[in-house]
Amino acid sequence: EAGVTQFPSHSVIEKGQTVTLRCDPISGHDNLYWYRRVMGKEIKFLLHFVKESKQDESGMPNNRFLAERTGGTYSTLKVQPAELEDSGVYFCASSQNTEAFFGQGTRLTVV
Amino acid sequence: RKEVEQDPGPFNVPEGATVAFNCTYSNSASQSFFWYRQDCRKEPKLLMSVYSSGNEDGRFTAQLNRASQYISLLIRDSKLSDSATYLCVVTSGGYQKVTFGIGTKLQVIP
Repeated sequence: EAGVTQFPSHSVIEKGQTVTLRCDPISGHDNLYWYRRVMGKEIKFLLHFVKESKQDESGMPNNRFLAERTGGTYSTLKVQPAELEDSGVYFCASSQNTEAFFGQGTRLTVV
Repeated sequence: RKEVEQDPGPFNVPEGATVAFNCTYSNSASQSFFWYRQDCRKEPKLLMSVYSSGNEDGRFTAQLNRASQYISLLIRDSKLSDSATYLCVVTSGGYQKVTFGIGTKLQVIP
């Protein structure tokens, strides 16, 4: 069974550009989460989807971040325009009941 | 106050030592508890779930104290391969929001 997959694995963009990260959760998992880890800091919650609905987006830093989950399947996280402080590793996770499974993350570098 | 608090360490211990990590959580309605392990530049992976009755998996023992709202992880006979960051994870709410602690870094030295 495929795990959580994220694309791209790495992205280097210039300040002001737009980047879209994608996450494909484990098939059948209703819960999908986005997290971000900035160098030296803890993994921070961004938002939580239940199926296609945003259950909790209290962790989204600002309105430059937009997350969607089309049809309750894969999810995208768009950053527009990107700023230097957006650099970090963006993890996606999915779960059905309790244990959350993580993707390998997208390492975003904004220069 | 953070929802999940951990000592970030680092904990530097010799091979063969026993080491214990604690984690406290603020939401008394939290439902599920886990320890995840994260290796450098990798994604977090489940190490073990934590139950009120305590659970053991080889050299690893996890315990939950709901009254005091803390979780512990004990590693016996530390191996070099145990070097990693150990994340305390708590889920809460009807839709199982997953919250992480900052992680405790363990370095096992020869």
